[in-house]
Amino acid sequence: DVKVTQSSRYLVKRTGEKVFLECVQDMDHENMFWYRQDPGLGLRLIYFSYDVKMKEKGDIPEGYSVSREKKERFSLILESASTNQTSMYLCASSLPQGQGLGYTFGSGTRLTVV
Amino acid sequence: RKEVEQDPGPFNVPEGATVAFNCTYSNSASQSFFWYRQDCRKEPKLLMSVYSSGNEDGRFTAQLNRASQYISLLIRDSKLSDSATYLCAVNPGLGYALNFGKGTSLLVTP
Repeated sequence: DVKVTQSSRYLVKRTGEKVFLECVQDMDHENMFWYRQDPGLGLRLIYFSYDVKMKEKGDIPEGYSVSREKKERFSLILESASTNQTSMYLCASSLPQGQGLGYTFGSGTRLTVV
Repeated sequence: RKEVEQDPGPFNVPEGATVAFNCTYSNSASQSFFWYRQDCRKEPKLLMSVYSSGNEDGRFTAQLNRASQYISLLIRDSKLSDSATYLCAVNPGLGYALNFGKGTSLLVTP
């Protein structure tokens, strides 16, 4: 079964810590995405990548960075975690656009910043 | 500006009922459309793509109305297991990522 795997299901970090969220997909997908989901706000796009070493800002990139050194891995980095970054983080991957097959999501990382 | 809008619900329906959700989008150049299902504290899972001519998958029917810029999802003969949040997603065009609606909550009761 094809998968998008996020390294942690639950994470608790302290304010000011540097946080790494890892995402790996085994579907040889070109596109990878990071969203956060908050009650009442829905899914909001943080960053996405269409190829290795390429990245594009989404709607809310402030306070985040990403890394894509290999096709299968897309990492989200919180440079200095803050309490307003407490959220559910969802990674997704897809085939190139135009193939109309939608995204496959990982099971999410629920991050709490204290 | 909200690009993708859904009625948040909740929609409370009895088993066996037919229920329909709509989702409006603002970008007339949008190219692809999807419905996702999300169970509580789980990730969204693709339910179905939405094609221009409309498409059906068992009890689920999806339709696209480009003139009025909305997509719809119809669920017939609702089951208890259909209780979930249904998210619509719209791709504004090549080079962009999916925009998601905030979801419509459905509760099917015995």
